[in-house]
Amino acid sequence: AQSVSQHNHHVILSEAASLELGCNYSYGGTVNLFWYVQYPGQHLQLLLKYFSGDPLVKGIKGFEAEFIKSKFSFNLRKPSVQWSDTAEYFCAVIARNYQLIWGAGTKLIIKP
Amino acid sequence: NAGVTQTPKFQVLKTGQSMTLQCAQDMNHEYMSWYRQDPGMGLRLIHYSVGAGITDQGEVPNGYNVSRSTTEDFPLRLLSAAPSQTSVYFCASTPRDLNTGELFFGEGSRLTVL
Repeated sequence: AQSVSQHNHHVILSEAASLELGCNYSYGGTVNLFWYVQYPGQHLQLLLKYFSGDPLVKGIKGFEAEFIKSKFSFNLRKPSVQWSDTAEYFCAVIARNYQLIWGAGTKLIIKP
Repeated sequence: NAGVTQTPKFQVLKTGQSMTLQCAQDMNHEYMSWYRQDPGMGLRLIHYSVGAGITDQGEVPNGYNVSRSTTEDFPLRLLSAAPSQTSVYFCASTPRDLNTGELFFGEGSRLTVL
């Protein structure tokens, strides 16, 4: 069965630290990959997505993610986090139409 | 533009009661879906619809019913609530093909079943 693994359930960083959140998926075929973010008290919103082309994808608010096909990974990065980045981050994969497979989420807390 | 609207935002039920979570979108999206979000488990798909009159089961459909009589509305019915259905429920939509776009989420409905 297809699955998505997010390695860290909780991450605590200080402001200006660099961020990398891991995401691995289990599916050998063509995939579409997403990172969503849920700020406290708000609904989920799309951070970035990868369908094809350049494996380094840039999203909103300075986030980027790199698709490494050989490692089945789509890690999220940000060079310098801010307090406002405190949120829960979800990785998701589409391997077949209409079925998004979600990771369990990573709660990120940024200390001011 | 309201986007995806869910009601109610909060609900407390007793075991065995039934209720309907409402979801409406004003973006003329063909695809609509219901997820439940539980701590440490991410989002799990309950039911989805690719257009009016068409619905299908997701990963965790038991105990829930849906219908799609119009493009705009996609209500989720709990037939006989159980404590295991305590969760946060999200409705989401996308214009046509999930592969080509992003999901637009409602603000969620927090349900507690006692």
